[in-house]
Amino acid sequence: DIQMTQSPSSMSASVGDRVTITCRASRGIGDWLAWYQQKPGKAPKLLIYSTSNLESGVPSRFSGSGSGTHFTLTISSLQPEDFTTYFCQQGYSFPRTFGGGTKVEIK
Amino acid sequence: QVKLQESGPGLVRPSETLSLTCTVSGASVSSANYYWSWVRQPPGKRLEWIAYIYFNGSTNYNPSLRSRVTTSVDMSKNQFSLKVSSVTAADTAVYYCARERGYWSALGMTTWFDPWGQGTTVTVSS
Repeated sequence: DIQMTQSPSSMSASVGDRVTITCRASRGIGDWLAWYQQKPGKAPKLLIYSTSNLESGVPSRFSGSGSGTHFTLTISSLQPEDFTTYFCQQGYSFPRTFGGGTKVEIK
Repeated sequence: QVKLQESGPGLVRPSETLSLTCTVSGASVSSANYYWSWVRQPPGKRLEWIAYIYFNGSTNYNPSLRSRVTTSVDMSKNQFSLKVSSVTAADTAVYYCARERGYWSALGMTTWFDPWGQGTTVTVSS
């Protein structure tokens, strides 16, 4: 299985900050990576697929980049509704695997 | 708008079979464009993909669970289902159903999950 490692596991930031979350794959996955946002008690929400494709309806302050084994999710200017948990998922091989999550908290 | 909703018992006895159903609205499980998947998250652990089923009945299971898992689709009810046999406390988790979509390329098939159901908590306990 491909192991997905996210960092940091948690972070503190302020409204308006630029935030970057990293996801590393244990082996190359091309650009086949997705990012999700999950609020407590809610269903995960797709933000980005295939590394950098913004899902319809997702604010443009979210962006993704990377390839191979190193990927990033960037939030250009944190908004109050962005303080929650994010996780990555590789779509390169089965079984699909997920990162452990990054919790973004208010500083 | 596509919506998925899980249903099933919240408590299952050890060694018994866990059964969940996902009801889909706004999309058809008979579509050839998507896969219909199950993902779970044990308390304090990361998400774990369990399985998918395709409209033609083909399936793909996580090798770690393959011997105990079965998924099926009921087109007449626009539902798909999951069964996990011989459950233990390790199967306690929030179970999500999700639509899996993606595309084929020369390198193979890539997929991602959208949308997801709200999730249902299943506890394995006597």
